[in-house]
Amino acid sequence: EAGVVQSPRYKIIEKKQPVAFWCNPISGHNTLYWYRQNLGQGPELLIRYENEEAVDDSQLPKDRFSAERLKGVDSTLKIQPAELGDSAVYLCASSLDRVMNTEAFFGQGTRLTVV
Amino acid sequence: QKEVEQDPGPLSVPEGAIVSLNCTYSNSAFQYFMWYRQYSRKGPELLMYTYSSGNKEDGRFTAQVDKSSKYISLFIRDSQPSDSATYLCAMRKAGTALIFGKGTTLSVSS
Repeated sequence: EAGVVQSPRYKIIEKKQPVAFWCNPISGHNTLYWYRQNLGQGPELLIRYENEEAVDDSQLPKDRFSAERLKGVDSTLKIQPAELGDSAVYLCASSLDRVMNTEAFFGQGTRLTVV
Repeated sequence: QKEVEQDPGPLSVPEGAIVSLNCTYSNSAFQYFMWYRQYSRKGPELLMYTYSSGNKEDGRFTAQVDKSSKYISLFIRDSQPSDSATYLCAMRKAGTALIFGKGTTLSVSS
């Protein structure tokens, strides 16, 4: 079974430029998460989807970050414009079902460097 | 005060040692407790998943949850150089997203 797939693996952009990350969750997983992991820190939630609905986006900086999950499968996370402080690893995770409280599986992440 | 506290280490042990990793938390509503292992430049990989209190064993790994003390532990027996990684504790309430500790960096020398 394929795991969570993220692309690109690495991205270097200049500040004020836009950037987008893509995530394909494990087949059949209804719940999708985007986390941000700063150097030396644990992952922190940005947004959680149940199917197509964003059910927790309280930590998403909405002035520059946006996300979508069309048809309840793949998801994209966008930053526009990027700032130096956005340099981090962006992790996507998925789990089978919120009600069943199953565990979350992570992708390899996208390492963003803003210069 | 963060909801989940974890000593970042680093922790260095010789091969074959028993390793103890710990986290404390403040939210008594947490019910689901996980340990993830993260190798450099990789995503977190689930190691152990525990519901409520008690112990769970899987090979060389044992997870313990003490809800009365708000304290969880991961023990690694007969540690190997391949165990060198960052270990993240994570926990959540029912139907919510995981909250992670900072991670403990472990180095096992041969």
